[in-house]
Amino acid sequence: EAGVTQFPSHSVIEKGQTVTLRCDPISGHDNLYWYRRVMGKEIKFLLHFVKESKQDESGMPNNRFLAERTGGTYSTLKVQPAELEDSGVYFCASSFTRNTEAFFGQGTRLTVV
Amino acid sequence: KQEVTQIPAALSVPEGENLVLNCSFTDSAIYNLQWFRQDPGKGLTSLLLIQSSQREQTSGRLNASLDKSSGRSTLYIAASQPGDSATYLCAALGSARQLTFGSGTQLTVLP
Repeated sequence: EAGVTQFPSHSVIEKGQTVTLRCDPISGHDNLYWYRRVMGKEIKFLLHFVKESKQDESGMPNNRFLAERTGGTYSTLKVQPAELEDSGVYFCASSFTRNTEAFFGQGTRLTVV
Repeated sequence: KQEVTQIPAALSVPEGENLVLNCSFTDSAIYNLQWFRQDPGKGLTSLLLIQSSQREQTSGRLNASLDKSSGRSTLYIAASQPGDSATYLCAALGSARQLTFGSGTQLTVLP
């Protein structure tokens, strides 16, 4: 069975550009999460989907970040316009229920120059 | 607000040693605690999940314990091998259903 898949693995963009990250969760996992680690800091929660609904987006840093999960399958995280401080590794995770094991993807390393 | 601390930040041991990694959390109202492994440039690999009602979980040479009342978890690695070298992260799942991560322990097992 395929794990959580993220695309792209790396992205280098200029300040002011737009980037869209994609996450394909494990099939059958209704719960999908986005986390990120910025340089030198711990991994921090961004938001949580249950199927196609945003359950919790308290970790989203500002309105330049937009997450969607149309149809309750894959999810996208768009950053528009990107700023230098958005650089970091963005992780996606999925779980069967809210209290069960979370499985993480390999992450997308975003560099804004 | 939950805070998770991992000590030590880095650890270097000779191959074959048994070792303990520590994780502490400030809010004992957690649903579970999960240990992950991260290799350089890679994602997070789930190692063990301990539900709040459990005291420990074992998988092969790994054993994780949980003491909610004292806000502590430990990851015990038996007979360490060079392939165990990685960063180990613990994360607590709180009432908001968000994982709060520690900063990790970077383990190096010397051949």
